[in-house]
Amino acid sequence: KQEVTQIPAALSVPEGENLVLNCSFTDSAIYNLQWFRQDPGKGLTSLLLIQSSQREQTSGRLNASLDKSSGRSTLYIAASQPGDSATYLCAVGAYAGGTSYGKLTFGQGTILTVHP
Amino acid sequence: SQTIHQWPATLVQPVGSPLSLECTVEGTSNPNLYWYRQAAGRGLQLLFYSVGIGQISSEVPQNLSASRPQDRQFILSSKKLLLSDSGFYLCAWDSSFYGYTFGSGTRLTVV
Repeated sequence: KQEVTQIPAALSVPEGENLVLNCSFTDSAIYNLQWFRQDPGKGLTSLLLIQSSQREQTSGRLNASLDKSSGRSTLYIAASQPGDSATYLCAVGAYAGGTSYGKLTFGQGTILTVHP
Repeated sequence: SQTIHQWPATLVQPVGSPLSLECTVEGTSNPNLYWYRQAAGRGLQLLFYSVGIGQISSEVPQNLSASRPQDRQFILSSKKLLLSDSGFYLCAWDSSFYGYTFGSGTRLTVV
């Protein structure tokens, strides 16, 4: 059974800091890994999608890496801003055998607070 | 472009009442569709998934059911709500290119 762990559970930083969120998973048989952002009371917004054949993806100030062999991914946020405050969720995707259905397993999330 | 609509945004229902949450997807055909629940202080739990019209699979036994009457419509239902059904319900679809895309969610409070 796939298990996804995110460290730290919560993080509070001053504005402008570069920061790293960690995600680890137990089963390396994944087909992708996705990072999401969730604002309080809102749905999930996709930040970055990394296919299993890729090592990293970048979007603006965000960079995510994937190391399947070690079961780890990191989300790097450069020059953090108060607007980055949210819960960040890591999710790994794996196919259920014999179907086209892809099951996402989520971590518990990292609650990020960036204060001015 | 692909969009996903989910309604209502919030719902307060008494115990024992029925439930119907609707989700529709635009801009794609034959998507895989999913219902997730996020309970307070807990992670996201997959409830149902569907790979086509009339094809529903359940991940966990519960008081809920799902239906897919049309290609891009996914409905979550209950005949009699329990207090434990309270939570944040999210509909999603996935593609190999975009990964998962989630709707804006429905906050259900059973009183």
